[in-house]
Amino acid sequence: DGGITQSPKYLFRKEGQNVTLSCEQNLNHDAMYWYRQDPGQGLRLIYYSQIVNDFQKGDIAEGYSVSREKKESFPLTVTSAQKNPTAFYLCASSIGSDTYYEQYFGPGTRLTVT
Amino acid sequence: AQSVTQLDSHVSVSEGTPVLLRCNYSSSYSPSLFWYVQHPNKGLQLLLKYTSAATLVKGINGFEAEFKKSETSFHLTKPSAHMSDAAEYFCVVSGLYNFNKFYFGSGTKLNVKP
Repeated sequence: DGGITQSPKYLFRKEGQNVTLSCEQNLNHDAMYWYRQDPGQGLRLIYYSQIVNDFQKGDIAEGYSVSREKKESFPLTVTSAQKNPTAFYLCASSIGSDTYYEQYFGPGTRLTVT
Repeated sequence: AQSVTQLDSHVSVSEGTPVLLRCNYSSSYSPSLFWYVQHPNKGLQLLLKYTSAATLVKGINGFEAEFKKSETSFHLTKPSAHMSDAAEYFCVVSGLYNFNKFYFGSGTKLNVKP
């Protein structure tokens, strides 16, 4: 089945540690995204990548880093510089035409930092 | 700039009664608009999309939405709510100059009472 996988589903870390969230897609989509979701705040864009080896900061990139070495993979690292890392993280990819794009989402990773 | 406003953060209906979730967007042209549904601790699933074809769009699970340019609205409706419809719903608009960027509303939580 084609889709987006995120692992693990739940992740626990101690404050001060970096942690990497995995996102893999086998949909052959060019663009990939990372969002953060907090209660009552909807989704906020962290980073996005339109092609391999290129990515752009979103609205809340501080304290996060990404890489895009392969089309299928877009891992997100939450660094110790991120002040409030506990959240639900969603990865997405998109496909489109000349006039519109459509996003598909993974199941999410819930990160808890104590 | 693009923006989306979901007018109700919470909506409560009884099972079998109609559902109306309201969404207004800001755009100087006809955008692409989407409704997604999210069940607790899950990713987002696409319900339906408007991409400048028919203004009345039918989606999955009996949902539909009507694009009204004059009112800059894209409200989501369903004739008869089911218990399984209880979830959070997001209205999304695609970017003005970059179709590969998306803007999310803050979400509407739908509660369905038996």
